[in-house]
Amino acid sequence: EIVLTQSPGTLSLSPGERATLSCRASQSVSSRYLAWYQQKFGQAPRLLIYGASNRATGIPDRFSGSGSGTDFTLTISRLEPEDFAVYYCQQYGSSPFTFGPGTKVDIK
Amino acid sequence: QVQLQESGPGLVKASETLSLTCTVSGASVNSGSYYWSWIRQPPGKGLEWIGYIYYSGSTNYNPSLKSRVTISVDTSKNQFSLKLNSVTAADTAVYYCVYDLDPWGQGTLVTVSS
Repeated sequence: EIVLTQSPGTLSLSPGERATLSCRASQSVSSRYLAWYQQKFGQAPRLLIYGASNRATGIPDRFSGSGSGTDFTLTISRLEPEDFAVYYCQQYGSSPFTFGPGTKVDIK
Repeated sequence: QVQLQESGPGLVKASETLSLTCTVSGASVNSGSYYWSWIRQPPGKGLEWIGYIYYSGSTNYNPSLKSRVTISVDTSKNQFSLKLNSVTAADTAVYYCVYDLDPWGQGTLVTVSS
């Protein structure tokens, strides 16, 4: 099973700042099958990025994903008020599909 | 636009079977090269992948739950379902059905009572 580790656990930033979230895998993620989700309180997760770097439909271009192998990054170029949420990475290249524990981005 | 809606009992007794259904609109459960998945989230915790059924009918389950899980499809109703046997308090969670990677259903809270 591929274990995903996310850092930091909490990121405290102000609107307009840049957020950099890390997701590290215990083994190489097959074919860059790495996704990022955003979850707000009381809501289902929403897909932001798939295939490590492809934005999902309707996702603003301030969200970008990068990385390969075991190291992946989600970057939010300029935080908007609606971006404060929990972010999860997921690998779907190897069964069982697994999620990271999440990074909470909160308002400083 | 694909939409999913979970339904089923919100309270299940320990040792019994949790049964949930996901009703799909905007796509057919038996066409396309997509996964129909169940994912759960205990209150205040992270996400756990339960398993999926492929459009062809093949299934893949999380080994941690494999002995207790069944995911099936009802093509006549365009639904897919989750059954989890012998539940305990640790199975209390919001259960989501998911089309491929997205969209997700709104989720349904299932509480296991002793």
